[in-house]
Amino acid sequence: QSVLTQPPSASGTPGQRVTISCSGSSSNIGSNTVNWYQQLPGTAPKLLIYSNNQRPSGVPDRFSGSKSGTSASLAISGLQSEDEADYYCAAWDDSLNDYVFGTGTKVTVL
Amino acid sequence: EVQLVESGGGLVQPGRSLRLSCRASGFTFGDDAMSWVRQAPGKGLEWVGFIRSKAYGGTTVYAASVKGRFTISRDDSKSIAYLQMNSLKIEDTAVYYCTRQVSPFYFDYWGQGTLVTVSS
Repeated sequence: QSVLTQPPSASGTPGQRVTISCSGSSSNIGSNTVNWYQQLPGTAPKLLIYSNNQRPSGVPDRFSGSKSGTSASLAISGLQSEDEADYYCAAWDDSLNDYVFGTGTKVTVL
Repeated sequence: EVQLVESGGGLVQPGRSLRLSCRASGFTFGDDAMSWVRQAPGKGLEWVGFIRSKAYGGTTVYAASVKGRFTISRDDSKSIAYLQMNSLKIEDTAVYYCTRQVSPFYFDYWGQGTLVTVSS
């Protein structure tokens, strides 16, 4: 059972902005950086955002991350069909001594 | 180009053992920590554990769900990370991914995964 809570699904039409929330606690998001991973259907996960709001080389600037207190969010602006995927937030948890993933959010492009 | 290639998955009976390998290329393997992450069929991601580089003692940390049963090791001369899984349970059935771990703590490269099925 994950300690980081995400909405199970999110959707939008092409070009829209979609935001995914990730709720944690003082022992994980509240005291460590948040990372986001994208998993396209049938493929391995891929790093999307690291250290709260940093994009690895090659990730479009349509993707942005933010963190406030014990919550974080991922925004996808200008939604595209190829953005249909599962998205996971993650952070180290100081109390569990464990790297915890969020429950995952499936993004659908209508 | 960084590549991580897992192997060793398959069907195994409960209580038995299995060893996964992760062959790395495209970076200086010995300089980096390596983590294993798994994903049960139709489920989310679960971190399994990691091994530090030799420069940081080569020590390991494990998730509570596998501690005492799984062991991560590395052979820097061959650029391979291993995941030794003992006393396997049905709930260990998952695709196992090898990842390169970067400070502060995230995974910038992932392998394609190898499926482990624990069933009688």
